[in-house]
Amino acid sequence: GAVVSQHPSRVICKSGTSVKIECRSLDFQATTMFWYRQFPKKSLMLMATSNEGSKATYEQGVEKDKFLINHASLTLSTLTVTSAHPEDSSFYICSARAQARTYTFGSGTRLTVV
Amino acid sequence: AQKITQTQPGMFVQEKEAVTLDCTYDTSDPSYGLFWYKQPSSGEMIFLIYQGSYDQQNATEGRYSLNFQKARKSANLVISASQLGDSAMYFCAMRVTQGGSEKLVFGKGTKLTVNP
Repeated sequence: GAVVSQHPSRVICKSGTSVKIECRSLDFQATTMFWYRQFPKKSLMLMATSNEGSKATYEQGVEKDKFLINHASLTLSTLTVTSAHPEDSSFYICSARAQARTYTFGSGTRLTVV
Repeated sequence: AQKITQTQPGMFVQEKEAVTLDCTYDTSDPSYGLFWYKQPSSGEMIFLIYQGSYDQQNATEGRYSLNFQKARKSANLVISASQLGDSAMYFCAMRVTQGGSEKLVFGKGTKLTVNP
């Protein structure tokens, strides 16, 4: 079946630094990938839709300059949290649209900004 | 508005019994898809089952079945013969089209606890 690999699974960074999270589709080509944020005991909130070769589409209220998304190939999308602050600490998870209009998720990244 | 509603924040079930997790949806699109995902404490989202709006029969996948009642706009998940490993968060989601692009809209989730 379709597999999406997400790295790192956990990251701790200092306030003011940037962190890059990678999302790879391993056995299929994903023209569209999605990035979500999840607060503890809450639902998934869509941050942006990443399209290969074009600019990402951000949801209302998401700062595009803080959360940089790059989808340079059909198998890789990256989310960079720039100048991270403690309030950016959260669980970030990516998803790729596979065949038959189903959606496969990565294993998520737990970001802690100290 | 396109919306998913899960009214049960938490559910408890005895091992080996069946449990139903509720999900209602709201959309004016004639074509849509409904998904259920399981999220254990480790965080990954595990796909369980899918129902298309035009599917005539209720979807089934092993111990999971989806009770699709289109007129009531409900898509409840039924887990039969519950196991301890079923304890997790369960999310209902709907595929919607907004601004020409597709995306998933999630409910708030239900925390299922299976008791031995």
